[in-house]
Amino acid sequence: AAGVIQSPRHLIKEKRETATLKCYPIPRHDTVYWYQQGPGQDPQFLISFYEKMQSDKGSIPDRFSAQQFSDYHSELNMSSLELGDSALYFCASVGDSTDTQYFGPGTRLTVL
Amino acid sequence: AQKVTQAQTEISVVEKEDVTLDCVYETRDTTYYLFWYKQPPSGELVFLIRRNSFDEQNEISGRYSWNFQKSTSSFNFTITASQVVDSAVYFCALSEGSRGANNLFFGTGTRLTVIP
Repeated sequence: AAGVIQSPRHLIKEKRETATLKCYPIPRHDTVYWYQQGPGQDPQFLISFYEKMQSDKGSIPDRFSAQQFSDYHSELNMSSLELGDSALYFCASVGDSTDTQYFGPGTRLTVL
Repeated sequence: AQKVTQAQTEISVVEKEDVTLDCVYETRDTTYYLFWYKQPPSGELVFLIRRNSFDEQNEISGRYSWNFQKSTSSFNFTITASQVVDSAVYFCALSEGSRGANNLFFGTGTRLTVIP
């Protein structure tokens, strides 16, 4: 079965640079979530989209923005990167017929 | 406010032993969902089980079983006859509201090591 796809899988950036993470949900899933997992920590909810509209917002810094496109894929844009942004970023998707978030493999971002 | 507590930070068991992972949650919602996810060393988050607040029936799925008790706000997860491949961090998570797919609040995780 198709799973959630995230790209890139690994990303290395310098401080103050920008980064864009992409998420392709499971086919026919209309809701996308973004989570940030710092080293040794639990995943923290950042933001979610339902039918291309922002549906909920968590602890997402103002330097970050995200959107969901007409094909339901989503992008997380991160600007003015800081060392503390180094983390594993997960995308998850959900469809109308399920109550479970299925996660992608994550993007490991390292800020130097 | 919602909260998920996994008091066990790390557990080590010898292969073939049974192991139970504890989870206690707090929520003001009467409708909510509880989940267990597994994060192996490779890093991905793998869905294991889901239970909604209206269904306290405990079930067994292969080597996995769970014990959901609303009276004590607990959602414990048991692995029977543990295997080395079960070594991972296990997260308990809570989703509030009638749609189980609302954003998840995770516990801090329990690192399980299964010793051959």
